[in-house]
Amino acid sequence: NAGVTQTPKFQVLKTGQSMTLQCAQDMNHEYMSWYRQDPGMGLRLIHYSVGAGITDQGEVPNGYNVSRSTTEDFPLRLLSAAPSQTSVYFCASSGRDRRRTFGSGTRLTVV
Amino acid sequence: AQKVTQAQTEISVVEKEDVTLDCVYETRDTTYYLFWYKQPPSGELVFLIRRNSFDEQNEISGRYSWNFQKSTSSFNFTITASQVVDSAVYFCALSEARGSGNTGKLIFGQGTTLQVKP
Repeated sequence: NAGVTQTPKFQVLKTGQSMTLQCAQDMNHEYMSWYRQDPGMGLRLIHYSVGAGITDQGEVPNGYNVSRSTTEDFPLRLLSAAPSQTSVYFCASSGRDRRRTFGSGTRLTVV
Repeated sequence: AQKVTQAQTEISVVEKEDVTLDCVYETRDTTYYLFWYKQPPSGELVFLIRRNSFDEQNEISGRYSWNFQKSTSSFNFTITASQVVDSAVYFCALSEARGSGNTGKLIFGQGTTLQVKP
């Protein structure tokens, strides 16, 4: 049982480049979400999804896009990377128990 | 608006001391969930506990205990006889519980860094 798998673990981008952070879960969870973690600010919600085909914005959605075509996958797209998007990104999924399982994180640096 | 405040940024204790991490929350919801997560130096987020707003019973799990008080909007976490392996960042979080019950949204506090010295 892999849980929540995030790839890549580390990434360096140049300003203006685009990329997709991958997130997959094998627990048949309905709910998936993306957070970013910055020093001294805890984790902040970027986007979330309550099921396939349904997504919504969180607290800090600007500069990010998401889609949920399947229950298992919830990719996060950076359209034009900016240094302000340097952060650690966590994907999470949860079922009806609301427990939330987090992936191991992606450390992104934008130069 | 929902908010979680962890006023203690960093705490340092000596091994075997007891330590309490404070968490105060704000919400207009009558039904909600509270969580604690641990983030060790390796970086992953480890679930510790979930408590719903209807259950004010304190909980103990080994050396960990949680004190939930709705009257003061607090959900404090105590580690008894701390160990070096308890060194980590600890996050308190709040989740709404409207409509279908779970939108997946968690509001996190800023985190408390606990250092346990040998």
